[in-house]
Amino acid sequence: GDSVTQMEGPVTLSEEAFLTINCTYTATGYPSLFWYVQYPGEGLQLLLKATKADDKGSNKGFEATYRKETTSFHLEKGSVQVSDSAVYFCALSESGGSNYKLTFGKGTLLTVNP
Amino acid sequence: DADVTQTPRNRITKTGKRIMLECSQTKGHDRMYWYRQDPGLGLRLIYYSFDVKDINKGEISDGYSVSRQAQAKFSLSLESAIPNQTALYFCATSDPTGSPYEQYFGPGTRLTVT
Repeated sequence: GDSVTQMEGPVTLSEEAFLTINCTYTATGYPSLFWYVQYPGEGLQLLLKATKADDKGSNKGFEATYRKETTSFHLEKGSVQVSDSAVYFCALSESGGSNYKLTFGKGTLLTVNP
Repeated sequence: DADVTQTPRNRITKTGKRIMLECSQTKGHDRMYWYRQDPGLGLRLIYYSFDVKDINKGEISDGYSVSRQAQAKFSLSLESAIPNQTALYFCATSDPTGSPYEQYFGPGTRLTVT
């Protein structure tokens, strides 16, 4: 079945540091890929998405590129802020008939210190 | 106002009690979902509904039931709560005409079963 593996946390960075959170996936067909973010005490929010190979999703300074050859969708940000402290989830939605379903990774807790 | 609301936000209950968690949405979406989140496990799908007359089990439906009272309302019940159902529960919605299928989450209900 489909699965998503993301780097285990927690990740602790200083403000303005470079962030990478690794995500790899296993899926049949051609999934769509997502990064969701969960701020403390809140529900998940879509951060960015990519629907096909080589697409780059971007939002709020975060970027991720859909790499079919390495089945990866790593999240990056060049300069993190304290306000980026949150849990980040990589997820996929399978194409075709079962594309209602999101398969999530386990989440990575990011803490950014001033 | 929030598009997806959940009540209650926090609940403590005793083993064996019946409890209902409620979800309402103003997004006009046909599809609704219930997930539970456990530390280190990510989100797991409990039930999903494509419309009022279409309800389906997810990957961890044992011990839970649902009711879709209207397009905008989707309730999750624990018939006889047990301590390992202590978790954070999220409701989500999606629009099947959207591409790709993005989900919109409520703020969550923190349930503790003692």
